[in-house]
Amino acid sequence: KQEVTQIPAALSVPEGENLVLNCSFTDSAIYNLQWFRQDPGKGLTSLLLIQSSQREQTSGRLNASLDKSSGRSTLYIAASQPGDSATYLCAVYAGNNRKLIWGLGTSLAVNP
Amino acid sequence: NAGVTQTPKFQVLKTGQSMTLQCAQDMNHEYMSWYRQDPGMGLRLIHYSVGAGITDQGEVPNGYNVSRSTTEDFPLRLLSAAPSQTSVYFCASRRDAGYEQYFGPGTRLTVT
Repeated sequence: KQEVTQIPAALSVPEGENLVLNCSFTDSAIYNLQWFRQDPGKGLTSLLLIQSSQREQTSGRLNASLDKSSGRSTLYIAASQPGDSATYLCAVYAGNNRKLIWGLGTSLAVNP
Repeated sequence: NAGVTQTPKFQVLKTGQSMTLQCAQDMNHEYMSWYRQDPGMGLRLIHYSVGAGITDQGEVPNGYNVSRSTTEDFPLRLLSAAPSQTSVYFCASRRDAGYEQYFGPGTRLTVT
């Protein structure tokens, strides 16, 4: 059974720091992996989708990598800002209907 | 495009009442899903649909019904509300199996 783990559960950093959020999965037979952001009391916003044939995707200050063989993805945030404070979730696409299997998220606080 | 829309934003029900949460998307997406999000448990799939007229159960389907008569709409029905159904409900859609998933803003439901 596919399981997705995100470590750490919470992270607090000073503004301007570069940081890495981790997502690991137990079964390397995934199709895609997607990173989301969720602000308190709000819905989920898609950040990056990495297809199974890709190793990384970039959007602005965000870079996500995927290593299927080791069951890991990382989300790199450059030059963090207080506006980056949110919960970051990763989900892997698995199974015949590509259902999303979710981690519990990393709660990020960027302090001014 | 309005994207994925959900109504209502907030709802309070008494135990035993029924109601329908509405979800619509204007992106012509085939895949639509309903999730519930509870503290410490992450996102859990309730029901999903891979196209009009086709629905299937997710992880936690008991107490909920769905139908998909059109591509655009995917309502979630609570048959007889219970306090255990107090949660935040999210509707999501994507174009096809391996494509990026988009979420609605959520419905916060309280059952007393």
